[in-house]
Amino acid sequence: DTAVSQTPKYLVTQMGNDKSIKCEQNLGHDTMYWYKQDSKKFLKIMFSYNNKELIINETVPNRFSPKSPDKAHLNLHINSLELGDSAVYFCASSQDLDSGAEKLFFGSGTQLSVL
Amino acid sequence: QKEVEQNSGPLSVPEGAIASLNCTYSDRVSQSFFWYRQYSGKSPELIMSIYSNGDKEDGRFTAQLNKASQYVSLLIRDSQPSDSATYLCAPAVGNTPLVFGKGTRLSVIA
Repeated sequence: DTAVSQTPKYLVTQMGNDKSIKCEQNLGHDTMYWYKQDSKKFLKIMFSYNNKELIINETVPNRFSPKSPDKAHLNLHINSLELGDSAVYFCASSQDLDSGAEKLFFGSGTQLSVL
Repeated sequence: QKEVEQNSGPLSVPEGAIASLNCTYSDRVSQSFFWYRQYSGKSPELIMSIYSNGDKEDGRFTAQLNKASQYVSLLIRDSQPSDSATYLCAPAVGNTPLVFGKGTRLSVIA
């Protein structure tokens, strides 16, 4: 069973289009994330949700809108796609631990190419 | 601006040798530090976490942390070809890494 699954794996689209990436985790985790890995290979957090509540919202254009219908799902909708949005988008989840560090479980990534 | 610096490599070591990977970070409030391994075209997976100054060992891996110097390293003993991957350093404020380093590409030569 795949722990964190995201679809699609590849997404090729034209500038100006609107697209969505879906993510689901079957680990029973409380927290889900979206990370972006750009062409320079930096992996940066975009959003974090805990039990459907937005916790972290880094400096991300408001064309990006996350939606968490339940704690097992965190989808990412992107409006008016731009060339600079081309990257690999990783979904991740973790279990809140009072003792500290949260191990991130990553999905396999979605390679977004905007033409 | 949070910065995480790593030598991009490639770092080539012979099989059985010790690989030493280094990372410096600019955010003095970082409390937790993580090393993730990422095979080409795959997602990152956690290798080590460390929170206190000093060394932490787990099997062939040892993480070293020096908060005063804002420096964290990862040693891999008895390197194997299967260790060939990119290693990402991730400091975290609280428990969530906000930004990872670009990673050091390690190549273990059989």
